[in-house]
Amino acid sequence: AQSVAQPEDQVNVAEGNPLTVKCTYSVSGNPYLFWYVQYPNRGLQFLLKYITGDNLVKGSYGFEAEFNKSQTSFHLKKPSALVSDSALYFCAVRDGGNAGNMLTFGGGTRLMVKP
Amino acid sequence: DAGITQSPRHKVTETGTPVTLRCHQTENHRYMYWYRQDPGHGLRLIHYSYGVKDTDKGEVSDGYSVSRSKTEDFLLTLESATSSQTSVYFCASSGPPPRDYGYTFGSGTRLTVV
Repeated sequence: AQSVAQPEDQVNVAEGNPLTVKCTYSVSGNPYLFWYVQYPNRGLQFLLKYITGDNLVKGSYGFEAEFNKSQTSFHLKKPSALVSDSALYFCAVRDGGNAGNMLTFGGGTRLMVKP
Repeated sequence: DAGITQSPRHKVTETGTPVTLRCHQTENHRYMYWYRQDPGHGLRLIHYSYGVKDTDKGEVSDGYSVSRSKTEDFLLTLESATSSQTSVYFCASSGPPPRDYGYTFGSGTRLTVV
């Protein structure tokens, strides 16, 4: 079985400060990891993914994430937060051996960036 | 959200009535999924399809059925709606493994069962 944990329901950060949204995962095989963002009344939008290669992955809107195999984590980061980054963020994982390509999502973390 | 259309966007229905939600994709993706989104639970998989007429259950499939008669269409039916099925429903699609590009999501259907 595969699972994802996002330990923080909400993260508050001031505009211009760095932000981190945490994610830990559990899979039996190789993890394929994803971050999605959801703005109000919208579907989920893809931000970035880790499949293999460099542990630091860069994605859309200046976001990046670091894959840490020993800590089974895939934290989302941004050096300087914008008010427009305020949204709901989801981490997702699938087992590389999962033939159905099914993602398991975390519970989501609401990011609030204050001016 | 380009490539996937969900209808209706909003629906209010009465307990005990059947409800069908529609998902249409123009991505020519083989895989399609129905998720429900509830506060504190994130997204939970209801059913998925890995091809025309090939479907399987997800983790919260009780009370739901699906059908896929064409590559582009995936229908979710609530056989007899209950208040616990009040939720936001998302459809998604993806290519087959090993194309691991994640999912394309629709904009969601907000369903209220009264």
